[in-house]
Amino acid sequence: KNEVEQSPQNLTAQEGEFITINCSYSVGISALHWLQQHPGGGIVSLFMLSSGKKKHGRLIATINIQEKHSSLHITASHPRDSAVYICAVRIMEYGNKLVFGAGTILRVKS
Amino acid sequence: KAGVTQTPRYLIKTRGQQVTLSCSPISGHRSVSWYQQTPGQGLQFLFEYFSETQRNKGNFPGRFSGRQFSNSRSEMNVSTLELGDSALYLCASSLGQGTETQYFGPGTRLLVL
Repeated sequence: KNEVEQSPQNLTAQEGEFITINCSYSVGISALHWLQQHPGGGIVSLFMLSSGKKKHGRLIATINIQEKHSSLHITASHPRDSAVYICAVRIMEYGNKLVFGAGTILRVKS
Repeated sequence: KAGVTQTPRYLIKTRGQQVTLSCSPISGHRSVSWYQQTPGQGLQFLFEYFSETQRNKGNFPGRFSGRQFSNSRSEMNVSTLELGDSALYLCASSLGQGTETQYFGPGTRLLVL
């Protein structure tokens, strides 16, 4: 049983396009994280959300607690955005440990 | 401030051996978590340590163990290595525990032959 589901699994976009990656979860959470992983393995934490919306540069993350859903948006996408984007949630009944989605592989073509 | 460092970066072992991986958190961070990443299972939580105490543990066999020292540095140990333990092992640190933003190290890539 996957507590965290991401969609799509793979996404190819043209440079400049608006991109949306979705994350749904089925349990009570204390926080949701969006992570970015480039080839080679390094992971960068993009956002941590417990409610509402956050923006950093061309990236926007939203969360709807009632619907148990979060989205990561990338505006004016660029080839350097190509990476794996991973949603992770802190599950309260598991003592707030992180459970990860399978990731979305994003490729932005120039 | 220096980021999270992990040593070694790459490691090759044979089945049955044991391995110890090290993680140095960002200065001032007291929480260290460990994760395993494989192509088949993705990212999975191993342990979380805060102030030298294990606060949470994932669903891994007892062959996987860890500890945290008084300077917040952490080690994880895998005994009796199996082929399936081949993975990228990531460590992340944060100021506190629970819901804090985590900062990830570059990982240790372990290959078990």
